[in-house]
Amino acid sequence: NAGVTQTPKFRILKIGQSMTLQCAQDMNHNYMYWYRQDPGMGLKLIYYSVGAGITDKGEVPNGYNVSRSTTEDFPLRLELAAPSQTSVYFCASGGAGGPGDTQYFGPGTRLTVL
Amino acid sequence: AQSVTQPDIHITVSEGASLELRCNYSYGATPYLFWYVQSPGQGLQLLLKYFSGDTLVQGIKGFEAEFKRSQSSFNLRKPSVHWSDAAEYFCAVASSSGYALNFGKGTSLLVTP
Repeated sequence: NAGVTQTPKFRILKIGQSMTLQCAQDMNHNYMYWYRQDPGMGLKLIYYSVGAGITDKGEVPNGYNVSRSTTEDFPLRLELAAPSQTSVYFCASGGAGGPGDTQYFGPGTRLTVL
Repeated sequence: AQSVTQPDIHITVSEGASLELRCNYSYGATPYLFWYVQSPGQGLQLLLKYFSGDTLVQGIKGFEAEFKRSQSSFNLRKPSVHWSDAAEYFCAVASSSGYALNFGKGTSLLVTP
C-alpha cells in the first residue's frame, strides 16, 4: 500500500533554476496539500487542492505554482529557485473532506538552493 | 485564525519516565486537534486526534491526550517513555483553508538511558 509518494527525495538547485516536485496518492483522496518545513518553524501550508481542477493558495504561496489535473497527482512547481526556498517539502492527502479527517504525509523532498 | 502553541522546544526525559508535551490552541469554537510525530528523516505520522466526545483520547504507541476547554489545551501524555519515542512532536489544528493543518513549531523529545 503506497499511500503518498514524493519524488525526488533530495535535490540541489542553483539560483534561478526551475523544478517540479512530484506527489502522488493512491487512496482516492480529494484533498491534497503541500507544506514546507523549516527548522524550528513547524510546517507551513503552500497550496492545497479540494479536487481535480481546483487549487488555492495557502500561507506561503509566493514562488510556487501547482496544478491538479487528476485525483492522484498534485505537483508543485518552483519557477525561479531562490535560497529562501531551501526547505523540506511535504505532500499530504486527506479523505472525504472534513476538518476531522486524517492527513497522510509523504516522506518529503529535501531541497537545497545554492 | 486557528493556531496552536507548543511552549517547549526541547524536552529530555529518562527512559521509563512519564511524559507530557504541552499544546495550547487559539480558536473560538470547538477545534479539531491533532498530534503528529516525526522521526528523524521521516514524514509525519498521526498519533491521535480530537474533535468531539470523550475529552481523553487514546492514540497509537501508548500515547493519550486530554482536551481541556477551560485551559485551551490539548496536552500529549505517555506513562512510560521508550527510547524509540525520541522524535519531533507536532500539535496541529484544522484550519478553514480546505481543512489544512496549522502546526505548532514542534517539541523535540530526547530520551536518555
